[in-house]
Amino acid sequence: AQKITQTQPGMFVQEKEAVTLDCTYDTSDPSYGLFWYKQPSSGEMIFLIYQGSYDQQNATEGRYSLNFQKARKSANLVISASQLGDSAMYFCAMRPLYNFNKFYFGSGTKLNVKP
Amino acid sequence: EAQVTQNPRYLITVTGKKLTVTCSQNMNHEYMSWYRQDPGLGLRQIYYSMNVEVTDKGDVPEGYKVSRKEKRNFPLILESPSPNQTSLYFCASSPGGRLDYGYTFGSGTRLTVV
Repeated sequence: AQKITQTQPGMFVQEKEAVTLDCTYDTSDPSYGLFWYKQPSSGEMIFLIYQGSYDQQNATEGRYSLNFQKARKSANLVISASQLGDSAMYFCAMRPLYNFNKFYFGSGTKLNVKP
Repeated sequence: EAQVTQNPRYLITVTGKKLTVTCSQNMNHEYMSWYRQDPGLGLRQIYYSMNVEVTDKGDVPEGYKVSRKEKRNFPLILESPSPNQTSLYFCASSPGGRLDYGYTFGSGTRLTVV
């Protein structure tokens, strides 16, 4: 069974500091994609970053980077230099290649950036 | 602009009154999917479609119906809504063929069933 676990329901970070949001996953598929989405209070889902299971390097997109540890089945999101606008809900998600129709989400982490 | 359009954004209805939430995408995507979001549970897949006339159940399909008669449209139908279907609903679409093609989401529909 596929499962995504985000163990931090809520987190606080000081503005301009870095923060790591945890995500672990469970899958038997050898090939899969990992995604992070941001959901601000307005409700829309915004794609942040992608990591493929066979990618050798950790993905980076601007201030976002993904700390991918395949053996541990973890895909933590790192946000550097936090900004007030980073306050939002963050979801980790996985799409297995052999079950391409499926897109599994974690329960989310609510990040609050303090000024 | 490439987008997924859902309507309505907000809906309050009464138990048992049939309703349809529309979803349309202008990106020629093969895959479309409906999700519901509930606190502490994240997003859960209701139904998905791989192409026209090809649909299948996700993880929480009970009480919902879908159809895919045209590639761009994927409406979600609640034949007899109940209060436990009060939720935030998302439609999403994705091209096929590559894992890094994630889903593009609509703006969401907040449904309240009283």
